Amino acid sequence: DTGVSQDPRHKITKRGQNVTFRCDPISEHNRLYWYRQTLGQGPEFLTYFQNEAQLEKSRLLSDRFSAERPKGSFSTLEIQRTEQGDSAMYLCASSLDPGQGRNEQYFGPGTRLTVT
Amino acid sequence: SQQGEEDPQALSIQEGENATMNCSYKTSINNLQWYRQNSGRGLVHLILIRSNEREKHSGRLRVTLDTSKKSSSLLITASRAADTASYFCATDAWNNDMRFGAGTRLTVKP
Repeated sequence: DTGVSQDPRHKITKRGQNVTFRCDPISEHNRLYWYRQTLGQGPEFLTYFQNEAQLEKSRLLSDRFSAERPKGSFSTLEIQRTEQGDSAMYLCASSLDPGQGRNEQYFGPGTRLTVT
Repeated sequence: SQQGEEDPQALSIQEGENATMNCSYKTSINNLQWYRQNSGRGLVHLILIRSNEREKHSGRLRVTLDTSKKSSSLLITASRAADTASYFCATDAWNNDMRFGAGTRLTVKP
């Protein structure tokens, strides 16, 4: 396994369109996280999954955002009716269950979204 | 919302010098982690220190944690040009989601 992968790497869309991003975590990792990062800032937590269950969602996250991890493997993040303020880098990370004592997160390269 | 705050926001040093970055946080934590991010790329995990640990080493990295002051520091010794990157601390609270600071931008001049 070569690590966390994300697709696409770049996405340009017009305001009002829907977009969907995909993340493939490291295969043995049961935790999967989504973050958003804007220029000059650290990653902002959006949501995370333990296997297929979505355990937490940021209160700052608009209802236009939804994430799924249907089979506990890959995950998708959908943004509906995109706005210019959604332009950012969307990062995915995976980790082992913290209950196993190691919860270092391994990040993918990110998907850069530009809303015009 | 972000919890950790790194200080300084930017740091410029000469190759061979040591670089020290600080992180302060607000709430109780389970552990604290440091990550590096090269320009436009994903984050790479550097080191994790648990709340019951005070100091940890990994190669040229030294991390300290003072839970009474809610602060941590990352020391990079004998810096190299390849260390040029942004460095983030991330706090892992007992609910197991992580909060990142805004980062310190380190520039190491050859």
